[in-house]
Amino acid sequence: KAGVTQTPRYLIKTRGQQVTLSCSPISGHRSVSWYQQTPGQGLQFLFEYFSETQRNKGNFPGRFSGRQFSNSRSEMNVSTLELGDSALYLCASSPSLGGNTEAFFGQGTRLTVV
Amino acid sequence: AQSVTQLDSQVPVFEEAPVELRCNYSSSVSVYLFWYVQYPNQGLQLLLKYLSGSTLVKGINGFEAEFNKSQTSFHLRKPSVHISDTAEYFCAVTSYSGAGSYQLTFGKGTKLSVIP
Repeated sequence: KAGVTQTPRYLIKTRGQQVTLSCSPISGHRSVSWYQQTPGQGLQFLFEYFSETQRNKGNFPGRFSGRQFSNSRSEMNVSTLELGDSALYLCASSPSLGGNTEAFFGQGTRLTVV
Repeated sequence: AQSVTQLDSQVPVFEEAPVELRCNYSSSVSVYLFWYVQYPNQGLQLLLKYLSGSTLVKGINGFEAEFNKSQTSFHLRKPSVHISDTAEYFCAVTSYSGAGSYQLTFGKGTKLSVIP
């Protein structure tokens, strides 16, 4: 079974631009979550989607948005990029909602804003 | 909301020595606890999880962890480390966030460096 696939792996953008990151979950998984990882703040939860609906959102500004498609693939978008948005963005998929469900992580997209 | 504290940001240890990585969480009625490992330039991989039952949980690569409800701790241990265990380790706890959804909250991570 293929794992969680995130594209692209690396991205360099200029301040003020927007960016879209993609995540393909494990086949059959309907829950997709996104996390931002930085050296200073660690792993912070962005949002979770299940069956095309946003179920939960972390404490991030409205510049961060996402969506999920009918095939469970997910995208996240960051508009008006700031230098502080430079981070590793991780996507995780789970077969269902539930606190006891394991999250499977992709390798991440390394975003650098210059 | 839950919070997770990993008491050591960096832990150096000699090869074949034992290691313990400490994790404490804020108390809750019930919790699900996880340890993940992250190798350089990689995503997170699950090492082990505590859902219920026996408080001693065994995971992959020879790691184990003990759930202690009274001390709200979930420390990770390995009796003998290898060079390949050099990585960053994250403790995580789930908390209910409403509408049938749970949120995974991570600690800041502990960087384990195994010295030859």
